[in-house]
Amino acid sequence: SQKIEQNSEALNIQEGKTATLTCNYTNYSPAYLQWYRQDPGRGPVFLLLIRENEKEKRKERLKVTFDTTLKQSLFHITASQPADSATYLCALDLMEKVTFGTGTKLQVIP
Amino acid sequence: DAGVIQSPRHEVTEMGQEVTLRCKPISGHDYLFWYRQTMMRGLELLIYFNNNVPIDDSGMPEDRFSAKMPNASFSTLKIQPSEPRDSAVYFCATYRRGGNIQYFGAGTRLSVL
Repeated sequence: SQKIEQNSEALNIQEGKTATLTCNYTNYSPAYLQWYRQDPGRGPVFLLLIRENEKEKRKERLKVTFDTTLKQSLFHITASQPADSATYLCALDLMEKVTFGTGTKLQVIP
Repeated sequence: DAGVIQSPRHEVTEMGQEVTLRCKPISGHDYLFWYRQTMMRGLELLIYFNNNVPIDDSGMPEDRFSAKMPNASFSTLKIQPSEPRDSAVYFCATYRRGGNIQYFGAGTRLSVL
């Protein structure tokens, strides 16, 4: 069956460090992979999209990599700040449907 | 645009009652999705529409759940009768064909007692 795993439920890091979140999938051949941010009491908000033929995408302090051989995406936040604390969801685009991972809760400690 | 608008934000009801959740999509977005989010199962797709037509309802858990989209500006998700295990946050999300990015509403937190 199709499965998406995000490496851990929670990740604590020190302010200023780089946070790295992992998304692994099986039995997919997605055309796109997306990352969303979700704050408590709010809906997910889109951050970045990377296509299957792209290896890396950057946006300000965010970087996403996509390895279709390993079936893995890494999401990096450099120079992390307490305001980056949130739950981060990866999502795979399959035809018209998007399937979400369960998310990783990131806590950046001042 | 005001974004995707969901109502109510919170709903508390008793087991057996009918619950109706509402969603107003972003104007011009031709896809609409209903999701349910719980701690245990994460964000699950229940049903989605394209141009007001239901395309895939395989995620709808039981016949107690139904969804409609009578026009491009409005969709409902109904649970009848509701049960305690339906307690969750329900999200509506929309996007425009070719855009790929889903825009979520703020969600409805449902508690069935």
